[in-house]
Amino acid sequence: DQQVKQNSPSLSVQEGRISILNCDYTNSMFDYFLWYKKYPAEGPTFLISISSIKDKNEDGRFTVFLNKSAKHLSLHIVPSQPGDSAVYFCAASILTNKFYFGSGTKLNVKP
Amino acid sequence: GAVVSQHPSWVICKSGTSVKIECRSLDFQATTMFWYRQFPKQSLMLMATSNEGSKATYEQGVEKDKFLINHASLTLSTLTVTSAHPEDSSFYICSARVRGQGKSGAKNIQYFGAGTRLSVL
Repeated sequence: DQQVKQNSPSLSVQEGRISILNCDYTNSMFDYFLWYKKYPAEGPTFLISISSIKDKNEDGRFTVFLNKSAKHLSLHIVPSQPGDSAVYFCAASILTNKFYFGSGTKLNVKP
Repeated sequence: GAVVSQHPSWVICKSGTSVKIECRSLDFQATTMFWYRQFPKQSLMLMATSNEGSKATYEQGVEKDKFLINHASLTLSTLTVTSAHPEDSSFYICSARVRGQGKSGAKNIQYFGAGTRLSVL
């Protein structure tokens, strides 16, 4: 039973526009969430995180929003750049112990 | 940032043989390492948590005798797929955790290796 879901396997966005990647979870006990970015032939790298006590966390062009009532997480990239093209994974955990990952969304930013 | 090296990146083996995958933290000490498995178009599934100097903790449904994990030092964990069969063909990836707070106050971030593609013929 997958507790973290990314229902969009791919997303295509024009350079300079906003990219919105979505993630849904089922376990209301999750209290810590992360986004990872993965380029081909490389391991996932940490991008941004958010604790359940917040509903927004911003780091440069990347903002993560958390809607606890909807059990929904989203990553906004503004403005999108071609170098952002990668697979993005969301992950959730309880007390930062075991992490549950989504299946990933492949973002393609077109020049 | 922290670097995790995983080797080999790709291995093909015959059914019945054993395959060892290494995961090294190159510039930090990792008291905890994790081993994941990923099937095509599916999420990373945690197989086991490996703590240095102690036995690994396996997730439900993962055969500990099939997937042997050794974490003999603070910089090296190994996963051995014993008597591999075609159904073991998959993408295996390790990560190492750095405790405490990192960038932007993020906690207990895991740093990933590049993964190993195992194909069992």
